[in-house]
Amino acid sequence: EVQLVESGGGLVQPGGSLRLSCVTSGFRFSDSPVHWVRQASGKGLEWVGRIKRKVDSYATGYAESVKGRFIVSRDDSKNTAYLQMNSLKIEDTAVYFCTRQPVGSGTCDYWGQGTVVTVSS
Amino acid sequence: QSALTQPASVSGSPGQSITIPCTGTSSDVGGYNYVSWYQQHPGKVPELMIYDVTKRPSGVSNRFSGSKSGNTASLTISGLQAEDEADYYCSSFTASSTWVFGGGTKLTVL
Repeated sequence: EVQLVESGGGLVQPGGSLRLSCVTSGFRFSDSPVHWVRQASGKGLEWVGRIKRKVDSYATGYAESVKGRFIVSRDDSKNTAYLQMNSLKIEDTAVYFCTRQPVGSGTCDYWGQGTVVTVSS
Repeated sequence: QSALTQPASVSGSPGQSITIPCTGTSSDVGGYNYVSWYQQHPGKVPELMIYDVTKRPSGVSNRFSGSKSGNTASLTISGLQAEDEADYYCSSFTASSTWVFGGGTKLTVL
């Protein structure tokens, strides 16, 4: 069974940092790009960023709203992806989901349950 | 990258069909066959309903179908059922090698 489990969310002050983790199981993690998507309360889905596979040099991509502040990484030996969030702003408050992109597919199929990040003073 | 454009809400009666459009540009929806549709019930995780414009994942009802014409993709739900009431989001790969979602459409089954 494919599973993705996020953790690391919490309350942080503006300007602070937080690192989210996405532990996966049930599939060949090293074969799949991983995406992060967020959703503010009562709002729509927003794509945050993505990291590709080793064969693609672990290339990353980011939404303009987080570029230069957020970093996506992965550790294939631990089947885990990370989202390092720096210089956090109040508008970064959201539920953060990790989701996998199957090999050869242009979509994201399985999603984690999400972890809540609250940026507030 | 601007969000894809979806109507804020649509509605239909049980048994009817509805279509939700998702409008982008030639740099996203129109340029790639990587359009997906997600269903999200309140408090739940998004569920993939359509991918690569027209493909249905295993287990998704064949009442759900996808299409694309130019820069607009569409999700059609036929034989509406009460359980279809949810929020629906489209997404697309973009020319910047990023991804973008639509603003979401709330479907109400009357």
